Amino acid sequence: DAKTTQPPSMDCAEGRAANLPCNHSTISGNEYVYWYRQIHSQGPQYIIHGLKNNETNEMASLIITEDRKSSTLILPHATLRDTAVYYCIVRVVRNYGQNFVFGPGTRLSVLP
Amino acid sequence: KAGVTQTPRYLIKTRGQQVTLSCSPISGHRSVSWYQQTPGQGLQFLFEYFSETQRNKGNFPGRFSGRQFSNSRSEMNVSTLELGDSALYLCASSLSSGDWYFGPGTRLTVL
Repeated sequence: DAKTTQPPSMDCAEGRAANLPCNHSTISGNEYVYWYRQIHSQGPQYIIHGLKNNETNEMASLIITEDRKSSTLILPHATLRDTAVYYCIVRVVRNYGQNFVFGPGTRLSVLP
Repeated sequence: KAGVTQTPRYLIKTRGQQVTLSCSPISGHRSVSWYQQTPGQGLQFLFEYFSETQRNKGNFPGRFSGRQFSNSRSEMNVSTLELGDSALYLCASSLSSGDWYFGPGTRLTVL
């Protein structure tokens, strides 16, 4: 699975949009982009995933560039509860061997 | 629908002992995977089970083992505990090949 690069930390003002970037320049055509987040000492929480097209759900939006070499997770109106470590992962969705390779992620701090 | 549950939530053991951790997946999920999280190494994959069969294994010594039962519940065992085994152990379940949902974890402290 391809590796990803994320900034180690970011700040965002409460109520503003949080835009978390992820570079995955070696992504293959059949690899999906997944985002998870981990609030302190809890298990990682699934946010969203996509292959080529932009995706949106009740939690966030995922914008993938046309060349698929980078993506951005957007939390439209960040709250204090969104303070967490955010992981961007690229992986092939197989019928076997489903492990994620987690990097260090981005520590997002939402400030009041 | 109930999420992934892990028991116990906290555990303290001493070096040389063994420990068994339990994971109950989301109802209907047949795939279970385990991860170890430490401050130094981050989240690392241990193993994955589907229908009682181990399908994938991470780079951990043989002291780490697991199994899955016919009801999809899973256990992992660590024998001859070392100080470095102190970590948050996370279990995740999946319906098929898609999204994985993590439990709250078991925090193991080895003294």
